[in-house]
Amino acid sequence: KQEVTQIPAALSVPEGENLVLNCSFTDSAIYNLQWFRQDPGKGLTSLLLIQSSQREQTSGRLNASLDKSSGRSTLYIAASQPGDSATYLCAVPNSGYSTLTFGKGTMLLVSP
Amino acid sequence: DAGVIQSPRHEVTEMGQEVTLRCKPISGHNSLFWYRQTMMRGLELLIYFNNNVPIDDSGMPEDRFSAKMPNASFSTLKIQPSEPRDSAVYFCASSEQGTLNTEAFFGQGTRLTVV
Repeated sequence: KQEVTQIPAALSVPEGENLVLNCSFTDSAIYNLQWFRQDPGKGLTSLLLIQSSQREQTSGRLNASLDKSSGRSTLYIAASQPGDSATYLCAVPNSGYSTLTFGKGTMLLVSP
Repeated sequence: DAGVIQSPRHEVTEMGQEVTLRCKPISGHNSLFWYRQTMMRGLELLIYFNNNVPIDDSGMPEDRFSAKMPNASFSTLKIQPSEPRDSAVYFCASSEQGTLNTEAFFGQGTRLTVV
């Protein structure tokens, strides 16, 4: 059964810092990996989807990398802003299924 | 498209009552998922439909929970009878063809409180 771990569980940084969120998964036979953002009391917003054939995916100040062999992904946020404060979750499809297993998330607080 | 639409956004009910949560997936998406989120357990899959047919319901906690998808544009998750431990945020998500190659899009969730 796929297990997804996210480190750190919480992160507090001053505005302007570059930061890295980590995600690891136990079954490397994945088709893709998806990063989501969740604001308090809200739903999940898809940020980036990396296919297994890709190593990186970029969207604005966000860059996600994927290393299937080591079972790891990182989400890099450049020049962080207070508006980036949210919980970030990574998710991978379960082997042979179309369902997602989620990590517990990293709660990010960017202070002005 | 308005995205995945869930109703109600909030539901407070008494223990023992029946609760029905509703979801309208994104038009053209043929896969629909129900997830439950709690502080302790995070996001857990309850059930997955493909082309309106339940494919994986192994996450449904017990017989008190049931889900239907009568057509491509509507799904319900019912809890009868509800219990305090069912209190959680319930999310509905949809995707074009499962999540093997495509993104999953989530609704805003229904916050359920059972007192």
